[in-house]
Amino acid sequence: DVKVTQSSRYLVKRTGEKVFLECVQDMDHENMFWYRQDPGLGLRLIYFSYDVKMKEKGDIPEGYSVSREKKERFSLILESASTNQTSMYLCASRILAGGKNEQFFGPGTRLTVL
Amino acid sequence: EDKVVQSPLSLVVHEGDTVTLNCSYEVTNFRSLLWYKQEKKAPTFLFMLTSSGIEKKSGRLSSILDKKELFSILNITATQTGDSAIYLCAVVDRGSTLGRLYFGRGTQLTVWP
Repeated sequence: DVKVTQSSRYLVKRTGEKVFLECVQDMDHENMFWYRQDPGLGLRLIYFSYDVKMKEKGDIPEGYSVSREKKERFSLILESASTNQTSMYLCASRILAGGKNEQFFGPGTRLTVL
Repeated sequence: EDKVVQSPLSLVVHEGDTVTLNCSYEVTNFRSLLWYKQEKKAPTFLFMLTSSGIEKKSGRLSSILDKKELFSILNITATQTGDSAIYLCAVVDRGSTLGRLYFGRGTQLTVWP
């Protein structure tokens, strides 16, 4: 079974702090994604990566950056956290081969910025 | 503007009822449509649909796709309290980078005992 893990389930940070959210997958998937999920808005794509050191902006990249130095790890960085970044953050991974499009999700990190 | 629209946004039923969740989409180069169930944690995969008219079934859940009318439905028969969750619909756009997924806002289903 694919396993996607995220470094924290709950995180509380102060405005202006730099925040790192880590995601690790153990199935050698090429593609990895970061979403945020807010009530009534569904999942919105922040950034994605199709391979090591490759990244693409999603729909709401402002205020975020990402890093993919190793295939199994995709980090989301909030350079200077703000209260409007309080949200549930979900990481996902997907294998590229075989026409499969199923994304496997991590358990999520609920971030609160005070 | 949302590329994937789910309805209703919220639904409350009693155990034993049958529910139908709707997902319509507007994606130029459709590849596939996926349904996920999300309880108080990560979304879990339910179905992937690529062809019109072919029903996918898993226990009390079933889903079908209409590529002409650009929608899919997810049916749950004889609902149970364990079916309470957010149901997410996502569409893969073949024309976009990586064949990315576009998610709808979800339908919150609550099943009362």
